[in-house]
Amino acid sequence: GAVVSQHPSWVICKSGTSVKIECRSLDFQATTMFWYRQFPKQSLMLMATSNEGSKATYEQGVEKDKFLINHASLTLSTLTVTSAHPEDSSFYICSARDFGGGYGYTFGSGTRLTVV
Amino acid sequence: DQQVKQNSPSLSVQEGRISILNCDYTNSMFDYFLWYKKYPAEGPTFLISISSIKDKNEDGRFTVFLNKSAKHLSLHIVPSQPGDSAVYFCAARSAAGNKLTFGGGTRVLVKP
Repeated sequence: GAVVSQHPSWVICKSGTSVKIECRSLDFQATTMFWYRQFPKQSLMLMATSNEGSKATYEQGVEKDKFLINHASLTLSTLTVTSAHPEDSSFYICSARDFGGGYGYTFGSGTRLTVV
Repeated sequence: DQQVKQNSPSLSVQEGRISILNCDYTNSMFDYFLWYKKYPAEGPTFLISISSIKDKNEDGRFTVFLNKSAKHLSLHIVPSQPGDSAVYFCAARSAAGNKLTFGGGTRVLVKP
């Protein structure tokens, strides 16, 4: 079945630094990927939709200059949290749209970001 | 505005009995519904889905029911097993786009 690899699984960074999270579709091509954020004991909130070869579409209230998304190939999307602050600490999850079969949405294993 | 709601934050059930998880939605443009199981610090795992043209879909121990007129769906797990203990999310997709909207989740505890 479709597999999405997300890396790193956890990262600790200092305030003011930037962190890049990678999301790869391993056995299928994903023209569309999604980035979610989950706070403790809360739901998954969609941050942005990443489209291969074009600009990402951000949800209302998400700062596009802070959360940079790049989808340069059909198998890789990256989320860069720029100038991270403690309030950016969260669990970030990516998802890829797999049109090839099944239900069509495969999730990565998530990245726990802690900003100190 | 929460378009997908799971009004029960938690559910406790005895092993072997039925678990019933509920989900309500407000957007009539949703055409596809999915249920996911999630453990802490992991990504969601797909369980079962249903198209808006159906009212029931079954896969092993999991059955999803959809009542379009009431904008309500439910997930039945029977028999419940201790390994089913996790947080369950319902999600809905709009006919107009690709993205999923998630409910708030229901934490299920299956007691041996």
